[in-house]
Amino acid sequence: GESVGLHLPTLSVQEGDNSIINCAYSNSASDYFIWYKQESGKGPQFIIDIRSNMDKRQGQRVTVLLNKTVKHLSLQIAATQPGDSAVYFCAEMMNTGFQKLVFGTGTRLLVSP
Amino acid sequence: DVKVTQSSRYLVKRTGEKVFLECVQDMDHENMFWYRQDPGLGLRLIYFSYDVKMKEKGDIPEGYSVSREKKERFSLILESASTNQTSMYLCASSLFAGGEQFFGPGTRLTVL
Repeated sequence: GESVGLHLPTLSVQEGDNSIINCAYSNSASDYFIWYKQESGKGPQFIIDIRSNMDKRQGQRVTVLLNKTVKHLSLQIAATQPGDSAVYFCAEMMNTGFQKLVFGTGTRLLVSP
Repeated sequence: DVKVTQSSRYLVKRTGEKVFLECVQDMDHENMFWYRQDPGLGLRLIYFSYDVKMKEKGDIPEGYSVSREKKERFSLILESASTNQTSMYLCASSLFAGGEQFFGPGTRLTVL
């Protein structure tokens, strides 16, 4: 496979553990946030989103938490599986005259069997 | 499911060549985007388009141009490729301007 980032922060967990991936965003006016997963050799894939009028949203095995006070997002993955190994990006929607998604640099999640 | 396809997974070109990267989406999305992805820099927006024949510069448009003649197709053009344009290029589309973006698989371009 291909590497999508050579100098990424890395989180290593054991299969079955819960994983927490953190992200700091930059603009207090951003009102929409997305978490993407990118597997080796593939494009980013939508996982879950959250709007700024919420502080928590749950999906299947994933939860996103939003703390607007400190401009912080987190992605929690329950019962992490080897198939969860990937690079995870947060993105914030900024309005700079037009709506633009601004991506973080990503965190690599490594899941050991 | 939304499908975004890109014409090539891998391309190798020489400095000075004109390069076309093609992207097609099948969900009638209004908005299309071109990003490049480099280690340590994440995804950076090159150009986007919110309608046929419309285009807007992103954060790093220098050395690139785009074409959107049909709603489903958005092309990225490198008029004269340079080695610093070696990168992974990702195309995306979205139904709404501020909505979720769906990505293609990417084109890894190497300029020698």
